[in-house]
Amino acid sequence: EADIYQTPRYLVIGTGKKITLECSQTMGHDKMYWYQQDPGMELHLIHYSYGVNSTEKGDLSSESTVSRIRTEHFPLTLESARPSHTSQYLCASRTGYNEQFFGPGTRLTVL
Amino acid sequence: QKEVEQDPGPLSVPEGAIVSLNCTYSNSAFQYFMWYRQYSRKGPELLMYTYSSGNKEDGRFTAQVDKSSKYISLFIRDSQPSDSATYLCAMSKDDYKLSFGAGTTVTVRA
Repeated sequence: EADIYQTPRYLVIGTGKKITLECSQTMGHDKMYWYQQDPGMELHLIHYSYGVNSTEKGDLSSESTVSRIRTEHFPLTLESARPSHTSQYLCASRTGYNEQFFGPGTRLTVL
Repeated sequence: QKEVEQDPGPLSVPEGAIVSLNCTYSNSAFQYFMWYRQYSRKGPELLMYTYSSGNKEDGRFTAQVDKSSKYISLFIRDSQPSDSATYLCAMSKDDYKLSFGAGTTVTVRA
């Protein structure tokens, strides 16, 4: 079983607030990912990282930012949350064999 | 047209039946194929991982890949109520990006 953690699991906040979604993994994986998932829709890649100090935007346009200062930690930040950011956010890390393991997700609701 | 197509279902079967799930794709460069299971309000869990064409079996689960037809399948034998979940197919080339299907919701009735 993969050891990848996300906090908080659920978050309800007001418009305009700054939030940070935490993701950490204990497997030493270099590659980490953030996905956005809406009900009945495929997962969309919003950010990824190949290692420390490496971050890239994914396919889905996102107003969020990420950082990768330590191998095990890949937080996602929204500077000013809006109702359109309401979604489930999934963090994942990848083995050298292209197997991606997911965390439990953060369900974000912006009022 | 989406890169990966997956019938969303829902699919409802009696306990003990064989569940058959499939995805089609358009990108012939895909080499790695995965199936994930996702329970409600949880993250996806990797079930099966296959490289290139062929079959792979793991307990009650069998994954098949037919690259010539751009078609992958997952079979669940002797299905149990605990198999009730959404099943996502995913695939990639040899780079960083996974392309996902939208998922098929499966209910196994006791």
